[in-house]
This record gives sequence, structure tokens and C-alpha cells, in this order.
Amino acid sequence: DAKTTQPPSMDCAEGRAANLPCNHSTISGNEYVYWYRQIHSQGPQYIIHGLKNNETNEMASLIITEDRKSSTLILPHATLRDTAVYYCIVRVDGSNYQLIWGAGTKLIIKP
Amino acid sequence: DAGITQSPRHKVTETGTPVTLRCHQTENHRYMYWYRQDPGHGLRLIHYSYGVKDTDKGEVSDGYSVSRSKTEDFLLTLESATSSQTSVYFCAISESSGTHNQPQHFGDGTRLSIL
Repeated sequence: DAKTTQPPSMDCAEGRAANLPCNHSTISGNEYVYWYRQIHSQGPQYIIHGLKNNETNEMASLIITEDRKSSTLILPHATLRDTAVYYCIVRVDGSNYQLIWGAGTKLIIKP
Repeated sequence: DAGITQSPRHKVTETGTPVTLRCHQTENHRYMYWYRQDPGHGLRLIHYSYGVKDTDKGEVSDGYSVSRSKTEDFLLTLESATSSQTSVYFCAISESSGTHNQPQHFGDGTRLSIL
């Protein structure tokens, strides 16, 4: 079973920041939070990951709460090409295979 | 993008026939994975490999076998395909887990239909 909970769908206006929430209340101390997205039927695309500190890369920012029970993926300036299903996943430290995928959030960017 | 090639990209075959899907990588990554994705489900792990000739089962391994004779190639075989194996199959790769947090990178998938 997925260890994360995400809203099934969200809308965002083009050019605005898209904030995608994820609940992982049962996360343990050595589990990382990963974000992927999948556009149409393409292969999932890695976005960002983190353990306890906030992270930022060229694609997005990841904000993890202090108690680590939830996180938010931020796409700072959403474009139409960001329309996709976004998956929040937790992975056990050192477990190189154990990605448990949920249903994700369908993000629709509107012009 | 990670250098991952899946072949074929599409295949239609009949129940009871053997099917082999190929995943080829040019990144020299140690770990390779096969997932399937079905409507209403997230990706589910079938098998994975942690080195040449080193493989292990995932969540939904029944009816599938794998082989890895070279670092760059990971084969998924359906010995006798069934209609329940109609799915989209994704291959993924990742570097050594030395730092314990290397992400997986995915290929573009193989759409397999078993009639």
C-alpha cells in the first residue's frame, strides 16, 4: 500500500506557482520523500527528493514540514507543459528498489 | 535524459506465446528495474537487478522472469503470456546506493497487448 496521500486533482493558472501537497504521516526517520511526474503515457520523470531539509533544483522546490509528516512540491512558474500526474513517494534509506507508488495528483495548468 | 531504450515500444501478441522485452542503458548504472502500470494502479515493481546475474523479485513477479547477462541489458520474459499481463511496462535504472538516495530514471515504456 502507498505510504502517501495526495489529492486526486488540482488546477493552477499558467504563470502562477503550483503547490502540490503530500501527506506521509507514517514516515520514519530514514525514509526519503521523492517526487516524480508522468506526462500522458510517457515514463515517469524524476523531479526532486529530500530527507528533512527543504530542497530546490532547476525544476522545483520541496518543502518538508519539521515533523516530516507532510511535504509540498512547488513549481514556481507553472506552464502548460507542467500538466501531468505528480507522484509523491517515500523510499527507505538504502533500499534501492522499494518505491511504493500511489495514484498521484493530476495537475492541470490552465491558460 | 537518462540513456534508457526500451524495445519494442509496442507489441500485440496472443495468449500462450512467449514475450521478451528489452531494456538497454548507456549510463553504466548498477541497478535496473522492471515495473508495470495499469489503469487505477500506480507503478508496481516486477523484478529488479543489483548487478550482472543478480536479480530479485518485486511486488508482482508471478508469471515473469528476468535476466541480466551484461550491465547494459535487462530482459523481462513472459514465458506464456496471459491477458492479465496486458499493461504498459517501464524499465528504470539507478546508480549505486552508496549515498543511499539515488533516484530512479525511467524509460519511455513498452505497451504490451495480449489477445
